[in-house]
Amino acid sequence: GDSVTQMEGPVTLSEEAFLTINCTYTATGYPSLFWYVQYPGEGLQLLLKATKADDKGSNKGFEATYRKETTSFHLEKGSVQVSDSAVYFCALSDGHNQGGKLIFGQGTELSVKP
Amino acid sequence: EPEVTQTPSHQVTQMGQEVILRCVPISNHLYFYWYRQILGQKVEFLVSFYNNEISEKSEIFDDQFSVERPDGSNFTLKIRSTKLEDSAMYFCASRGYRNAGTGELFFGEGSRLTVL
Repeated sequence: GDSVTQMEGPVTLSEEAFLTINCTYTATGYPSLFWYVQYPGEGLQLLLKATKADDKGSNKGFEATYRKETTSFHLEKGSVQVSDSAVYFCALSDGHNQGGKLIFGQGTELSVKP
Repeated sequence: EPEVTQTPSHQVTQMGQEVILRCVPISNHLYFYWYRQILGQKVEFLVSFYNNEISEKSEIFDDQFSVERPDGSNFTLKIRSTKLEDSAMYFCASRGYRNAGTGELFFGEGSRLTVL
C-alpha cells in the first residue's frame, strides 16, 4: 500500500542554519503531497502542499518540490528560527477516491537553538 | 477563519469505561476523519466517514470503536471499553468538496485520552 518515509529525528540546529528534512513516498497513483507541522501542545497545521509533479509548495520560508522521478518531497528552509521548533510530518493523499485519507510519515522533530 | 473544534481537550478514564470524543467539523465540509497519535509516534488513520456511513477504516478501528454524526454539526468517536493502549491524542479532521481534489485535511487541536 501507499506509504511515506521521513528521515529520523530529532534534528537539532542553530538559529539561521539551513534545514532539510527528507521525505520519500510510495504510491500507486498520483497523490498530492503535504507537509504538516505540529507545534508543542497543538494540533496539526498544513504547512505547504503540492498537487502534481514538479510543483513547488512554499510557506513561511519553507519549500518542498514534488519530485516524481525520485518519489521525494524534501522540506527545506534557508534560515531556521527558534520558533520553527516543532514536529514536521510529511503526508500523501490517498487519491483513489474523493474522500481519501492522508497517510503520514513518522514525523521529524526539529529543535532550533538560539 | 473556520476551524475544526474538539472536546474535551483532555480526558482521563479508567480502563473498561466508555469514552466519547466530540468534534465539530467545519460547516459545509462533507468528509470526516479520526486519527490517533500515541505519544511520540506517527499519526495513524482510524476511520473516514461520508454521507452518514463509514467510507474506510483501518485495522486499529475494531469493534470497540464507533463513529456517529448524531446531528448536522457533531461527529463523535466512541470507545466502548477503553484499554491502556487506547491512551493517545485523537485528532478529528474534515474536508470539503473544494479540497477534495487536493486531498487537504483540516485538523482540530486534538483530544488527549489517558486510560488508567
